[in-house]
Formats: sequence, structure tokens, C-alpha cells
Amino acid sequence: EPEVTQTPSHQVTQMGQEVILRCVPISNHLYFYWYRQILGQKVEFLVSFYNNEISEKSEIFDDQFSVERPDGSNFTLKIRSTKLEDSAMYFCASNEGGWSYNEQFFGPGTRLTVL
Amino acid sequence: QQQVKQSPQSLIVQKGGISIINCAYENTAFDYFPWYQQFPGKGPALLIAIRPDVSEKKEGRFTISFNKSAKQFSLHIMDSQPGDSATYFCAAEASGNTPLVFGKGTRLSVIA
Repeated sequence: EPEVTQTPSHQVTQMGQEVILRCVPISNHLYFYWYRQILGQKVEFLVSFYNNEISEKSEIFDDQFSVERPDGSNFTLKIRSTKLEDSAMYFCASNEGGWSYNEQFFGPGTRLTVL
Repeated sequence: QQQVKQSPQSLIVQKGGISIINCAYENTAFDYFPWYQQFPGKGPALLIAIRPDVSEKKEGRFTISFNKSAKQFSLHIMDSQPGDSATYFCAAEASGNTPLVFGKGTRLSVIA
């Protein structure tokens, strides 16, 4: 069964460093998302991406964040200068698009720890 | 307006019992209501979803009840099993291919 994959599973970084989180969405999907989940809290939307551009972003997704689809398979989230409060689980999701609602498939997540 | 409120925060149910988790929303633009199940160390996985044109949807032991006028929906897990122990999130979406708005989650423990 197709699945969303994410690497690394755990990333530890020093405050102020840049990190890149990587995702491979399901191959025929057209919409891609990043969400984050601070430990013990709800899953929060960061950004959505369609047709090689950001389609929607939340107030969390400030200038420190950027997304890219560098090739036909990878979808990346970059945090330019990490802060302690960026420590969270980051989930990538994708869905196939189309005119009706369809399931967003989530990856297993990357746990980011900022020291 | 964009929030989805979920309760209870945690729930302990005896094996074979019924687990009930409730959610409420304010934004009448929400038009799709999925429930996600999350096991420790894993990403959320879709369990069951409903559109507001029906008041109930059942898939196996899992049922969503939907009350459009009250802007509330709930998940019922019949014959709860220890393997159902997980965190459950309700969510809402305003139109296709848009971000999900999640509730805060309910940690369910089913004990033998």
C-alpha cells in the first residue's frame, strides 16, 4: 500500500541552526501539507502546497519557514534559524486532489528537538 | 471560529464497553468531518469520516453521529478492545484539499 515517508525520524539541533525535514508524498498525489504537533497538544496546520506553490499557510508559518519540491518526489520543510519552541513532531501529509473530499495521508513524522 | 473542541481529554473504558468521544465546532463552512487514530510514534491515520448530509455513518465497530443544528459530532466505538487504545482526533475541513483543523485529541485506554 502506498504511504507517505519522512526522514529523518528524529533530528536534534542547536538553537539558531537550520534544519531541513524531508517527505516523499504518495506518487499520484497533488496536494501536500506540513503539520506540527507539540508534545501532548493537537495537530496544527503549517502550510499547504499545490502546483509548485504555497496554496495556504497558517500564522505559525512565518519567514523562518519555507517549503520546496526540489524534484518530482521530495517535499521539504526548511526552518532557517530554529528556536526552542520549534521542538515538535512534524508531519507531512498528501492527498490526491480532485473535486471531492478525499483522505489526507500522514507520514510517520519527524521529531525535531531544538536544544 | 476555526476551533474544533474535543472532549474528554482522556478516557478509560473496560474491554467490551462503548467509548464515546465528542466534538463541537463553530464554523458553519466546515463540510467534512474525519476522525483520525494515532498510535504512539506514528502519524494520524484516517479512521472514519462523515459529510453533514447524513446524521450517522457506521463502519464496523466505529460510528460517527452528526448533529448539524447543534454543530456537534461524536465517535462511538462499540465493543472496545485493548487494541483500540490510542489517541483519537476529530477534525474538520471547509472544502476539498484544504487544511484540516484538529481537536486537541482524546487518549483512550481500553483495559481488560
